Amino acid sequence: KAGVTQTPRYLIKTRGQQVTLSCSPISGHRSVSWYQQTPGQGLQFLFEYFSETQRNKGNFPGRFSGRQFSNSRSEMNVSTLELGDSALYLCASSFLTEEMNTEAFFGQGTRLTVV
Amino acid sequence: AQSVTQLDSQVPVFEEAPVELRCNYSSSVSVYLFWYVQYPNQGLQLLLKYLSGSTLVKGINGFEAEFNKSQTSFHLRKPSVHISDTAEYFCAVRSPGGSYIPTFGRGTSLIVHP
Repeated sequence: KAGVTQTPRYLIKTRGQQVTLSCSPISGHRSVSWYQQTPGQGLQFLFEYFSETQRNKGNFPGRFSGRQFSNSRSEMNVSTLELGDSALYLCASSFLTEEMNTEAFFGQGTRLTVV
Repeated sequence: AQSVTQLDSQVPVFEEAPVELRCNYSSSVSVYLFWYVQYPNQGLQLLLKYLSGSTLVKGINGFEAEFNKSQTSFHLRKPSVHISDTAEYFCAVRSPGGSYIPTFGRGTSLIVHP
C-alpha cells in the first residue's frame, strides 16, 4: 500500500511569488491535514480537509489556502511568499472512523525555501 | 483544550545506554497518545500509540512507552540506543471522538554519541 506522497520534495521560490504543493493521501483515506514545521515554531497545524470541505483551520493568514479534490488529493497554496514561509510543509492523511482511525500518516514533506 | 509538553528539547546519550524522553499532556477528557519519530528531512513516522488497555505500549525499533493517567505522562523509553536512533521525537495527543487533529509537542532531539 503506497504511503502519503508529497510533491515536489524541494522548492525554491522568490519573495512575492506564489506556490502550490500537492499531497496524495493513502488510498481510502479521506482526511488530509497540512502542517508547517520550522525550527522556531515546531509543528503548526494549517488546515484539515475531509470530503472536499475544510473542517479545521489553524491560525495562519489568508495567504495560506488549500483544497481537496474528489479523489481526496489535496493541494496547498501560499500566495505572496515571505521569507518566513520557508519551512518543511507536511501532509498527513487519516482514515476516519473511530474503529479504524487512530493515527495520522505523514508524507516526507516539501521543503520550501523562499529567497 | 489539549496541550503537550516535552520537557527536554535535547537529550544527548551514549550508544548502548538507556534513554527516556519525557512527555506530559493536559486534557479534561480521555486521550489517545502517540510518539512519532522524524529523521532529517523526512516526515513523521509512528513509533507507538496508546488507545486503551495495557498502559505499557511497545512500538517499533525497540521503543516502549508507559501511560500514567495520574501523572498525565506518556514517557518514551529504550533500554539500549543505537547511533541510528538519532532523530527528533514528537509526542502527540488527541481525544477520541473529538477533533481528529492531534496536538503535538515541540519535539525532543535525541543525539546518540558513539
